[in-house]
Amino acid sequence: AQKITQTQPGMFVQEKEAVTLDCTYDTSDPSYGLFWYKQPSSGEMIFLIYQGSYDQQNATEGRYSLNFQKARKSANLVISASQLGDSAMYFCAMREGTSAYSGAGSYQLTFGKGTKLSVIP
Amino acid sequence: DTEVTQTPKHLVMGMTNKKSLKCEQHMGHRAMYWYKQKAKKPPELMFVYSYEKLSINESVPSRFSPECPNSSLLNLHLHALQPEDSALYLCASSQERERGELFFGEGSRLTVL
Repeated sequence: AQKITQTQPGMFVQEKEAVTLDCTYDTSDPSYGLFWYKQPSSGEMIFLIYQGSYDQQNATEGRYSLNFQKARKSANLVISASQLGDSAMYFCAMREGTSAYSGAGSYQLTFGKGTKLSVIP
Repeated sequence: DTEVTQTPKHLVMGMTNKKSLKCEQHMGHRAMYWYKQKAKKPPELMFVYSYEKLSINESVPSRFSPECPNSSLLNLHLHALQPEDSALYLCASSQERERGELFFGEGSRLTVL
């Protein structure tokens, strides 16, 4: 079974509008972390936002916010006021507690298949 | 600008060539990673180094040989590759903290002819 599911292969959004990218996850580990990365066509994976499983509040970073619904095991990314530069692939990823710890702060991340976001002028 | 630097950005090689990909970070991170990414797919973990020692090898073929000369450098030596090895190779690093987010370089785009 997939551990990270991103059901939207592609999304379109009008410039200046908000958009939500879906992510659901599956784990039995009580301690885990959820990440969103942006990958423009240049190739670099850019870290956007993090949500820990014990965090009480939804994470926010500028125009990015994470809608964390623990009971539903969902961690959707919300981008407000979309810009043309937001056009990219977006990956949701999960780190599962100590089972993913490989020493010296190294962790194994499980990535979803990604959502390609296109911002329309 | 990324704090993880990868060279070269593009590489074309024949199946009999030997080449290397290089990765450098100066953030004091003690964990470094190699990922392989095919077009329109998520990154796949290849190797993890912790404190300059190989801690994870995800059953990668021996034609890929990683090396960590020091805590700032990570190399990936390539020999006798196949056309299906053509991909984007991403280097990343992380530090020991609760978030443990990975910082990625821009990648090296490899084409094997």
